[in-house]
Amino acid sequence: QSALTQPPSASGSPGQSVTISCTGTSSDVGGYKYVSWYQQHPGKAPKLMIYEVSNRPSGVPDRFSGSKSGNTASLTVSGLQAEDEADYYCCSFAGSKYVFGTGTKVTVL
Amino acid sequence: EVQLVESGGGLVQPGGSLRLSCAASGITFSSYWMHWVRQAPGEGLVWVSRINPDGTNPVYADSVKGRFTISRDNAKNTLYLQMNSLRAEDTAVYYCAKLGAGGYWGQGTLVTVFS
Repeated sequence: QSALTQPPSASGSPGQSVTISCTGTSSDVGGYKYVSWYQQHPGKAPKLMIYEVSNRPSGVPDRFSGSKSGNTASLTVSGLQAEDEADYYCCSFAGSKYVFGTGTKVTVL
Repeated sequence: EVQLVESGGGLVQPGGSLRLSCAASGITFSSYWMHWVRQAPGEGLVWVSRINPDGTNPVYADSVKGRFTISRDNAKNTLYLQMNSLRAEDTAVYYCAKLGAGGYWGQGTLVTVFS
């Protein structure tokens, strides 16, 4: 199972928006609604930000949104804030296994 | 408050074994698929294994299949990962996690395989 493809980095100024893509295949991202996104700050455990493509857990700001088209899922962070600077990983169900994305480092300029 | 607390990591030589544990509290542990995910130093997250709520149907990443065994004891609210024939490339922080909706992660336990 190959890792899902994410851009290595993304950046934006405070208040701007950034969108991260997550490209897989019809056997993972394209085949199921079970795509989630995780935020990870240095030295910390990952935190769930989006589940089932576009659902936000309670406590996650509505600045975070998710979508999917075909084999590509996306995470958009609107109104960037300093605390959004972190690594972000997508994750997809893949039949019986799971697969994570390669990770994207988001920098707030 | 939900807590997942991993233990059992440490230093081991290639070919050696370790058993990781993950103690869960604050959740109905026996209702959920549970997973192990690892992260090598400076690298990304990699899914390792999952197990059904009743302890059946374990599934493994190809890189660990035949060497690692996932199990759980619902009476003790604990998830396990028995790791045998360890290799240098297994060096990582190992997290137990409930993925997806209502997701939770532990803080991880470091496994270092060195010669």
